[in-house]
Amino acid sequence: NAGVTQTPKFQVLKTGQSMTLQCAQDMNHEYMSWYRQDPGMGLRLIHYSVGAGITDQGEVPNGYNVSRSTTEDFPLRLLSAAPSQTSVYFCASSRTGLKGYTFGSGTRLTVV
Amino acid sequence: AQTVTQSQPEMSVQEAETVTLSCTYDTSESDYYLFWYKQPPSRQMILVIRQEAYKQQNATENRFSVNFQKAAKSFSLKISDSQLGDAAMYFCAYRINRDDKIIFGKGTRLHILP
Repeated sequence: NAGVTQTPKFQVLKTGQSMTLQCAQDMNHEYMSWYRQDPGMGLRLIHYSVGAGITDQGEVPNGYNVSRSTTEDFPLRLLSAAPSQTSVYFCASSRTGLKGYTFGSGTRLTVV
Repeated sequence: AQTVTQSQPEMSVQEAETVTLSCTYDTSESDYYLFWYKQPPSRQMILVIRQEAYKQQNATENRFSVNFQKAAKSFSLKISDSQLGDAAMYFCAYRINRDDKIIFGKGTRLHILP
């Protein structure tokens, strides 16, 4: 099993550009989420989903969109990148009601 | 609001010694899980240990153990016989079963001194 796969691992964007961070899991997990990690801030929840067709906002959702058309995939879209979105992004998944998350390896995004 | 507080941004410990990382959380829920995650320089998030709130017995995983004080809302991590590979950022986290979200603390960077 591949677990949780995030692509790309690194990305540089110009202010105003849009892009999609990809996340896929092959464990049939119902729950998927996106976090951003900034120095001194820990991991902050952006958006999450408890199943296909269901998404909800986390702590810092502004500037990001998500959709969940399949159980396996949970892409994160940056609509118009801003320097404040420079961060490391993690996708994670789990079965609902169970244990901890399995994390992807992260995407380091720089917006210039 | 649910919060997780790690009051020690950085800690150092001598190799082979024991170190305790602190964590407190704030919730009105009764059904939840608590976790410690390790993030080495590779950036990978690794689950170290977890504790179900309904269990009174403290969880242990080899050299890692927790001190779970439910009334005080405290969840500290003890690392025994510290090894150089334990050097990492450690995050305390909390999840309520009602909505599956996991809330993380800001982390404690642990240095191991040879």
